[in-house]
Formats: sequence, C-alpha cells, structure tokens
Amino acid sequence: KAGVTQTPRYLIKTRGQQVTLSCSPISGHRSVSWYQQTPGQGLQFLFEYFSETQRNKGNFPGRFSGRQFSNSRSEMNVSTLELGDSALYLCASSLPAGGEAEAFFGQGTRLTVV
Amino acid sequence: GQNIDQPTEMTATEGAIVQINCTYQTSGFNGLFWYQQHAGEAPTFLSYNVLDGLEEKGRFSSFLSRSKGYSYLLLKELQMKDSASYLCAVNQAGTALIFGKGTTLSVSS
Repeated sequence: KAGVTQTPRYLIKTRGQQVTLSCSPISGHRSVSWYQQTPGQGLQFLFEYFSETQRNKGNFPGRFSGRQFSNSRSEMNVSTLELGDSALYLCASSLPAGGEAEAFFGQGTRLTVV
Repeated sequence: GQNIDQPTEMTATEGAIVQINCTYQTSGFNGLFWYQQHAGEAPTFLSYNVLDGLEEKGRFSSFLSRSKGYSYLLLKELQMKDSASYLCAVNQAGTALIFGKGTTLSVSS
C-alpha cells in the first residue's frame, strides 16, 4: 500500500510570505503528526491531529497552524515566514492516536526561507 | 515537561557492536521507540519497548528500564549501511512522539 505522501518536496519562500504543506497519510490511518527537523534541534513536535481534531500541540508560535480533513489528509500552514523557519517538515501517520502504534513518516518537505 | 538525551555522535568499525544510550524524563510514559534515519530520507521504525527488558530483532536489540528512565539500542555485526542517525522517541501518556536530537553513527571499514 502507498506510504505517507508529502507535497511539495521542496519549497523556497521569501520572508514574510506564508506557506501551506500537505500530507496524505497511509490509507486507514487517522492520526497525523507534524514535526520540524533542523540540524541543531532535531525533530521537534508541532501538532497532532486525530479525526479532524487537534489533540496535541508543541511549543511553536501561533504562526504555525494545521488542520485535518475528513479523509485524514492534513495541511500545515506557516504565516509570516522567518529565516529560522527553514527546515525539513515531516509528517507521520499512525493507526490509533499514540500508544504502541508505529508512526510512518513521509519524505518531508524541505522549506527554505530567503 | 520532557527531556530526552542521547549522544550526538558515535563511530564504530564494520563487524563491531555499538550501543547507543538514551535517557529520558517525561511526565507520563507510554512506550519508547527507536527510529533510523539515513541522510535525506524519512525516519523508519526500528523498535518499540513499553515493558522493562530486552527486545531483539535480528542484528538490532533495544533495552528499556522504566525505573531508571533509560534505554539503549544495540547494533551487532555493524555494516556500512548502518551509518545513519538513530532517534530515540518517547510516547508521553498517549500523545504524539517526542524525539531526542538523534545520534549520528558513522561506520568505517
């Protein structure tokens, strides 16, 4: 079956712009989590959605937001982009939310802010 | 809050055994995962521990001590392809995974 699909794979944006990233989870998976990965900080948790509801949120400013649709696809939006937002954004899906469920990651979207 | 610590870098030679340690402090614990991430690729699942003890999976084993807040990933018979980043992640009371910063392992011949 198809894995987690993230689009686009690469993106270059200018400071002050906004960006929307998309994630299609594995069919049947209802939990989608988003992470920001940078060389200095590693993988940092942004938020998690389950059944169209945000269940958990990490320590990121309100410029970072997300949503989940009825088909479990998820989007995250970053407004008023800053240079420090340049990172690899990873999406992971799993069957139930949390517990022993293995999270499957997409290839990520590499965002560069100039 | 939560804190997950693992060494930043490790080196080893082909055929050797390497142990990557992970210590954690979390409020609420619902399991610990190890993931492998090759450069430019997505993290992939290696192991899951929720009870104390050792879980063995081929060349890879993972150990957990909940009372000590400690886990390790043991890689045996190292191969060049094992050069990657190894990520320790804790499932905190049913929330999404919280990751350590990762350990970059370099395997040389």
